[in-house]
Amino acid sequence: DAKTTQPPSMDCAEGRAANLPCNHSTISGNEYVYWYRQIHSQGPQYIIHGLKNNETNEMASLIITEDRKSSTLILPHATLRDTAVYYCIVRLHTNAGKSTFGDGTTLTVKP
Amino acid sequence: DSGVTQTPKHLITATGQRVTLRCSPRSGDLSVYWYQQSLDQGLQFLIQYYNGEERAKGNILERFSAQQFPDLHSELNLSSLELGDSALYFCASSVGTGGSSGEKLFFGSGTQLSVL
Repeated sequence: DAKTTQPPSMDCAEGRAANLPCNHSTISGNEYVYWYRQIHSQGPQYIIHGLKNNETNEMASLIITEDRKSSTLILPHATLRDTAVYYCIVRLHTNAGKSTFGDGTTLTVKP
Repeated sequence: DSGVTQTPKHLITATGQRVTLRCSPRSGDLSVYWYQQSLDQGLQFLIQYYNGEERAKGNILERFSAQQFPDLHSELNLSSLELGDSALYFCASSVGTGGSSGEKLFFGSGTQLSVL
């Protein structure tokens, strides 16, 4: 499975867009990019995933570069409740569970 | 609410003891995954079961074992407990078909294990 690199922490003002980057330069053609988040010590929560096209759902948007070596998770209007650790994982869809989540990015949304 | 139920929420025990953690997956999900999260190790994949059979193994110690029962609930057994086994243990479930549209994991709220 491809390795991912994320910044350890980011701040964002409440109401502004939060853009969380992830580098996955060794991604293979059939590996998906998944994003999860973990609020305090709760169980991680699925946010979004994609293969090559940009994706949007009610929680966020996922932008994947054309060469697929990096991606950005966008929370369009961050709220205080979006403060969490965000994990970027790259996996084959059949191996979605064989994931060590790494350290992720701690996003702090400030009033 | 993810639909994944884990019991107990908290467990306090002594070194050398054995405990069992229980997980009920979301209705219809065939795959169950176990993860360990400690302060210095992050979220580590332990083991996956699919429809009663072991599917994948991660960094699971030999002192730990798991199984998935016919009703699809799963149990994680931890024996000869050490202080370092203190951690949050999460269970997750997924549909398990590994379809081409990707596989979302749904996590339970975890069991906090404290070994004293």
